[in-house]
Amino acid sequence: QKEVEQDPGPLSVPEGAIVSLNCTYSNSAFQYFMWYRQYSRKGPELLMYTYSSGNKEDGRFTAQVDKSSKYISLFIRDSQPSDSATYLCAMSALRASNTGKLIFGQGTTLQVKP
Amino acid sequence: NAGVTQTPKFQVLKTGQSMTLQCAQDMNHEYMSWYRQDPGMGLRLIHYSVGAGITDQGEVPNGYNVSRSTTEDFPLRLLSAAPSQTSVYFCASSLSGDSYNEQFFGPGTRLTVL
Repeated sequence: QKEVEQDPGPLSVPEGAIVSLNCTYSNSAFQYFMWYRQYSRKGPELLMYTYSSGNKEDGRFTAQVDKSSKYISLFIRDSQPSDSATYLCAMSALRASNTGKLIFGQGTTLQVKP
Repeated sequence: NAGVTQTPKFQVLKTGQSMTLQCAQDMNHEYMSWYRQDPGMGLRLIHYSVGAGITDQGEVPNGYNVSRSTTEDFPLRLLSAAPSQTSVYFCASSLSGDSYNEQFFGPGTRLTVL
């Protein structure tokens, strides 16, 4: 079993829809949770970052972490065609400090249709 | 700032050939790393470096060598290419290896081994 599981999709939604992207994980030592966005044939770029549990909002994006369920989510409100990309969750354990070791999910490909 | 740069963008090798993937950053980052991205597997850490002269193995290091003689450069060497090394390779850098530091990714090198 992989440490981080993410449904690869693809996920296709109409413009303006609310999108929910999710990851589950098995390692209870994970404390840092990130979402990266990767456009086609480009490198990933950090979208959202959360430490431990709770919610974080940035514009149309909301990241949620539920450590009791080992489940993280990224919500995109009022989705736009420019949001079409692959979204990767990534996690790191506190004990991995200074090694920078991130464990990535497989990535979910999202297409927002005009 | 150019950020993280990678060369070449594309490469085709024959089985058994060797080559070096170049990575450079101009942000004075101490931490640099190499990932490979395969369909359905997400990003997997190959090798990383927490500073000049210091390298360590990641999740999938076999068949790859690294060295870090300067802060700016972190080349990845394939010693004897195999078809299983066909992948997209990403270099990343961050201020330090601490988990809360954002990792900046390069544009990637697409490698095909025949």
